[in-house]
Amino acid sequence: SQELEQSPQSLIVQEGKNLTINCTSSKTLYGLYWYKQKYGEGLIFLMMLQKGGEEKSHEKITAKLDEKKQQSSLHITASQPSHAGIYLCGADRGRETSGSRLTFGEGTQLTVNP
Amino acid sequence: KAGVTQTPRYLIKTRGQQVTLSCSPISGHRSVSWYQQTPGQGLQFLFEYFSETQRNKGNFPGRFSGRQFSNSRSEMNVSTLELGDSALYLCASSLGRVINEQFFGPGTRLTVL
Repeated sequence: SQELEQSPQSLIVQEGKNLTINCTSSKTLYGLYWYKQKYGEGLIFLMMLQKGGEEKSHEKITAKLDEKKQQSSLHITASQPSHAGIYLCGADRGRETSGSRLTFGEGTQLTVNP
Repeated sequence: KAGVTQTPRYLIKTRGQQVTLSCSPISGHRSVSWYQQTPGQGLQFLFEYFSETQRNKGNFPGRFSGRQFSNSRSEMNVSTLELGDSALYLCASSLGRVINEQFFGPGTRLTVL
C-alpha cells in the first residue's frame, strides 16, 4: 500500500467552485509538501507544512496539516481554469535517514471547466 | 534568483547506451535530489547529494549513479539503458536542512527505444 494516499484521484469542477484534496500518511508526518504539476513538466512548489495545526495560504489555495490524523488537506477557493493540473503531496522521510527524501502520493488530477 | 535548471530537456537513446543528465540548483542550495517519474510508478526517489556526498539513496539498481560537484551542480548517469528507464527525470534543489523547501526543475524527458 502507498505511504501517502491522495483523494480523490481525479476531480472535475465548474469554474468558481471550491474544492478540497486530501493526503493521508501511513507514517508520522514531519514535513508535508504540496506541489502542482502540468502534465510532463516539473513540479511547482505550493506550500510546505511542518507543524500540527499549521495552515498556510497562497492566493486562493490553503493547506492545513493535522498531525494527529497524519493528514493534510489542500483547499482551493473559487477555482479557475489556471488551477487545473496534477496536485501532489509529498512527505519528507529525512529524519529517518538523515538528509532529504520525499515520498509522493499518486496525485490528484484537477480539471476546471469554464 | 534563477530556478533549478536541467539539461537536456529531451533525450532519445537506444537500449544498451548510457546517458548523463545535468542539474544546476538554485544559487546557495547545497542539496540536489533526483527523482524518476513514470505513469506506472509515479514519482520515485533516486538519490540525494549534499556537499558532494551521497546522503540518501533510493531503491534503484546500480546502473543509476550520480555525483555532485563543488559548485553543487549534479549529474546523474544511467548505464546500459533499458526500455523501462524511459521516464521524466526531475531534480530538486534545497538548502540541505532536514526539513526544508524543495524546488524542482523542469525535468529531462528520456525516451529509450
